[in-house]
Formats: sequence, structure tokens, C-alpha cells
Amino acid sequence: GNSVTQMEGPVTLSEEAFLTINCTYTATGYPSLFWYVQYPGEGLQLLLKATKADDKGSNKGFEATYRKETTSFHLEKGSVQVSDSAVYFCALSLIQGAQKLVFGQGTRLTINP
Amino acid sequence: GAGVSQSPSNKVTEKGKDVELRCDPISGHTALYWYRQRLGQGLEFLIYFQGNSAPDKSGLPSDRFSAERTGESVSTLTIQRTQQEDSAVYLCASSLGGVYNSPLHFGNGTRLTVT
Repeated sequence: GNSVTQMEGPVTLSEEAFLTINCTYTATGYPSLFWYVQYPGEGLQLLLKATKADDKGSNKGFEATYRKETTSFHLEKGSVQVSDSAVYFCALSLIQGAQKLVFGQGTRLTINP
Repeated sequence: GAGVSQSPSNKVTEKGKDVELRCDPISGHTALYWYRQRLGQGLEFLIYFQGNSAPDKSGLPSDRFSAERTGESVSTLTIQRTQQEDSAVYLCASSLGGVYNSPLHFGNGTRLTVT
């Protein structure tokens, strides 16, 4: 079946630290990959996406590269800020057929000043 | 502009009662999705609407769960004879079309607690 496995949280870092949140997937087809973010008190929103192998999605200083050989889509940011504190969800969608996302369990990130 | 609105934001109900959860999508969004998030787990897909038809109901966990949508507007998720395992946050999302063409916009969810 199709599934997404994320790095277990919670993750706590100091401001300006380097961030990596690991995400790996299994899929029966050729998926598109996403990172969604949920800030405190808000709904989930799309952070970035990649639709084919070796694509790099980027937004707000975050990056993730679609690695087909390792079935991974790790989220990275070079220097985190307190405002990045949120829950991050990795997700996949199959290009053909399914009009739905398969989500990982989410990783709670807290950035301390 | 207005985002996806869900009501109620919190619902506490007794085991065995029926509940209705409401979702108002963003105006003009033809696709609407319901997800469920149990404590400490990822989001589980429940059902997807394109307009007022539901081409994918594969995630509904049992026949106690049903959903309908009026045109390209409001959707209601109904859970009959609620059980304690139904306790979760129920999230609604809408989008302009297929998920890989346009992003999903999520509401803040309804937190359901079955006592």
C-alpha cells in the first residue's frame, strides 16, 4: 500500500539552528510529494511540493528534494526562526487516479529563542 | 478572503448519539475532502467530493459514517451511534481541482470527543 513515515517528534531547536525532518514513503505508483505545515491555531497549509524525481520544492527558506532512489523527501532549513514553530506533515499523492493525500503522522517543531 | 470554515469547533457527545459536522469550503472550490486525525496519528482520508458527487468514499471507516454535499457548497459529515474510537479531530479541506494541480486549503477542524 501507500504510506508515509516521518521522523518522530517533538523536535526542539534553538533559533538559527539547522533543521532536518526526515520523510520516507512507499507507493505503488509514481507519487507527487508535499510538505504541509500547521501553525498554532491555524489550519494546515501547503508549504512546498515536488512532482517528479530530483525536483526540489522550496518556500519560506525551507527545501525538500524528491529522491526516488531512497524514496525520501526530507525537509530542511538552514537557519530556523521562532516563527517556524509548528507541526509539519509530509504527504504523497499518486499522479493517476487518487484525488487524495496520504499523510505522515506529523512532526511537532519548537524553536526556542 | 474567507477560508474553509468548520463548525462546531468542539463537540462532546455521549456514546451512541448521532453527530453532524459541517464544512463551508472556499467559494468556487469544486473539490472537498474530509480527513480524520486521531491523537498522535497522521491524517486519515475519509471521503472526497467533486461537486456534489463522491467518487471516492474508500476511507469511511464504517456504515455509521456518511457525508453529503450540496452543490459545490456546504458539506456535512454525519456519524451515527458514535463510539469512543470516533474521538478525533475531523478536518475538511477544499481545492480548485485535483490535488496535484492546486493545493488543499484546510479548515481548523472539529474536535469530537465521545464520552
